Amino acid sequence: DQQVKQNSPSLSVQEGRISILNCDYTNSMFDYFLWYKKYPAEGPTFLISISSIKDKNEDGRFTVFLNKSAKHLSLHIVPSQPGDSAVYFCAASPFGNEKLTFGTGTRLTIIP
Amino acid sequence: DSGVTQTPKHLITATGQRVTLRCSPRSGDLSVYWYQQSLDQGLQFLIQYYNGEERAKGNILERFSAQQFPDLHSELNLSSLELGDSALYFCASSSPIAGGHTGELFFGEGSRLTVL
Repeated sequence: DQQVKQNSPSLSVQEGRISILNCDYTNSMFDYFLWYKKYPAEGPTFLISISSIKDKNEDGRFTVFLNKSAKHLSLHIVPSQPGDSAVYFCAASPFGNEKLTFGTGTRLTIIP
Repeated sequence: DSGVTQTPKHLITATGQRVTLRCSPRSGDLSVYWYQQSLDQGLQFLIQYYNGEERAKGNILERFSAQQFPDLHSELNLSSLELGDSALYFCASSSPIAGGHTGELFFGEGSRLTVL
């Protein structure tokens, strides 16, 4: 049972444009969400997070939006840069629980 | 550099064999997590230790076991290996934040296991 779903395995975006990566979840107990970025031959690195008490969190070029009623979150990258080309994982955890459940990832390619 | 060290980086072995993967967490982190990433799959949670004690268990096979030692390093033991066990095995560490959430996990570079 995939509780965190990233339905787009890959996404290509022109440099300078907006990249939007989507994530859906099914477990209503999840209340903390994170995005991780992974380059080849490296471990995932933390990018940005959001708590369920918020609907938006921004950090520089990266913004995460959370729609609790739809059980959906998205990561916006503006403007997209070639260095953003990587695999992006969405992850979630329930309140008071340290275990993160990850999605299957979306491979983002920024076209120069 | 995340501060999490995993060894070995690459390992090739045969079916039926046993291997041990090692992880040293970031200085000060008490929690260690093991994740498996098979081809085209997400990160599957295997097991978590906190300060030497097992804290949570995920989809870990009975052929797999782990432990966390007093110096907080952890080992993942994989036995009776099968072809399907070929994967990237990641270790991560963290310190809890408010609300009991993990917050940010710091991942090692992974150990790539190939079973032939």
